[in-house]
Amino acid sequence: KAGVTQTPRYLIKTRGQQVTLSCSPISGHRSVSWYQQTPGQGLQFLFEYFSETQRNKGNFPGRFSGRQFSNSRSEMNVSTLELGDSALYLCASSLVPGLGEQYFGPGTRLTVT
Amino acid sequence: AQSVTQPDIHITVSEGASLELRCNYSYGATPYLFWYVQSPGQGLQLLLKYFSGDTLVQGIKGFEAEFKRSQSSFNLRKPSVHWSDAAEYFCAVGAKGNNDMRFGAGTRLTVKP
Repeated sequence: KAGVTQTPRYLIKTRGQQVTLSCSPISGHRSVSWYQQTPGQGLQFLFEYFSETQRNKGNFPGRFSGRQFSNSRSEMNVSTLELGDSALYLCASSLVPGLGEQYFGPGTRLTVT
Repeated sequence: AQSVTQPDIHITVSEGASLELRCNYSYGATPYLFWYVQSPGQGLQLLLKYFSGDTLVQGIKGFEAEFKRSQSSFNLRKPSVHWSDAAEYFCAVGAKGNNDMRFGAGTRLTVKP
C-alpha cells in the first residue's frame, strides 16, 4: 500500500506570494492533519480534516487555510507569505480521527525569500 | 493543556550500547502517547504507541517504551543500538477523539562506531 504522498517536495517562494501544498493520504484513510516543523518552534499542529470538514485548528493566523476533497486528498494554502513561514510542512493521515495513529508523509520544504 | 518535555536535546551512545530517551508529559486525562523517529530529510515514522492496557509497549526496530503514570513519563528504550538508529526522536501526546498531537522538541541521537 502506498504511503502518504506530498507534492511538491521543495518549494521556493517570495514574501507576499501565496502557496498551495498537496497531500494524498494512504488509501482508505479519511483523516488528514497538517503540521509545521521549524528549528525554533518544533512540530506544531496546523489543522485536521475529516470528511471534507475541518475538525481542529491549531494556533496559526488566518493566512493558513486548508481543505479536503471527497477523495480525502487535502491541500493547505498559505497566503501573503512571510519569512517565518519557511518550514517543513508535514501531512499525516489516519483511518479516522481520534485513534491517534497517524502516518506521516515526507513533507514539503518551503523556503520563503 | 497538553505538553511534552524531552529533557535531552542531544545524546551520543556507542554502537551496541543501551539507550534510554526520556519523555515527560502533562495531560489532564489518560493520554495517548507516541514515539516517532525522523531521519534527515524524511517524514516521521511511528515507532510505538500507548493507548491503554499493558504499560510496557513494544515497537518496531527493537524499541520499547514504558508508561509510568505516577511519573508522567513515557521513556523509550533499546537494549543495543545500531548505527542506523542515528536520527531524531520525538515523543508526542494526543487525546482520544482528535488528531491534534503535541510533540516534544526532539532528541537527536548520534551513534559512535
